Amino acid sequence: EVQLVESEGGLVQPGGSLTLSCAASGFMFNTLWMHWVRQPPGEGLVWVSRIDVEGTITTYADSVKGRFTISRDNAKNTLNLQMNNLRVEDTAIYYCVRGGPGSGLDYWGQGALVTVSS
Amino acid sequence: DIVMTQSPLSSPVTLGQPASISCRSSHSLVDTDGTTYLNWLQQRPGQPPRLLIYQISTRFSGVPDRFSGSGAGTDFTLRISRVEAEDVGIYYCTQATQFPYTFGQGTKLEIK
Repeated sequence: EVQLVESEGGLVQPGGSLTLSCAASGFMFNTLWMHWVRQPPGEGLVWVSRIDVEGTITTYADSVKGRFTISRDNAKNTLNLQMNNLRVEDTAIYYCVRGGPGSGLDYWGQGALVTVSS
Repeated sequence: DIVMTQSPLSSPVTLGQPASISCRSSHSLVDTDGTTYLNWLQQRPGQPPRLLIYQISTRFSGVPDRFSGSGAGTDFTLRISRVEAEDVGIYYCTQATQFPYTFGQGTKLEIK
């Protein structure tokens, strides 16, 4: 069974930093792209970032480029999202999502709530 | 960026009756490999999204056959043949043809 379990989010002050992790199991982690997608409270879905199987190619939404860094550890089946210089508008549930072959996004984690507020 | 536009944004439906949601993309979703990466997601209240349909019309693992997808190019439709109570939630179309991946605004399916 595919499982994606995000670390707990948290409350961060504007300008602060936070790193999310996602533990993957139930599939060959080192063969698939991985993504982060976020959802502001009561709003729709926004794609944030993706990483290729080896961790050498990354892509970001313009809104987070230069502030967020996606990475992966294939030995530990873990996906990470380092978030720096956080803004109030980064407040959202962050989902770890598997890059399904043929679909782009298939299995989703339960999500981690990140709140940026003073 | 490819803009995804859904209609309606709200759909009250009687149990057992059909429902239909439309999605239009601002650009063709046909990739260079000839595949159209148009997916449909379901998000039940308080839950993460779940993949229902990928590549326009292929049901994902475990999805009931009352869900079907159709369309081509820039116009797509999700149909539920007979709505059940567990289908309540928000439905999103999404494209995975081009970065950044983008989503429709969501259509809220409610029971009358």
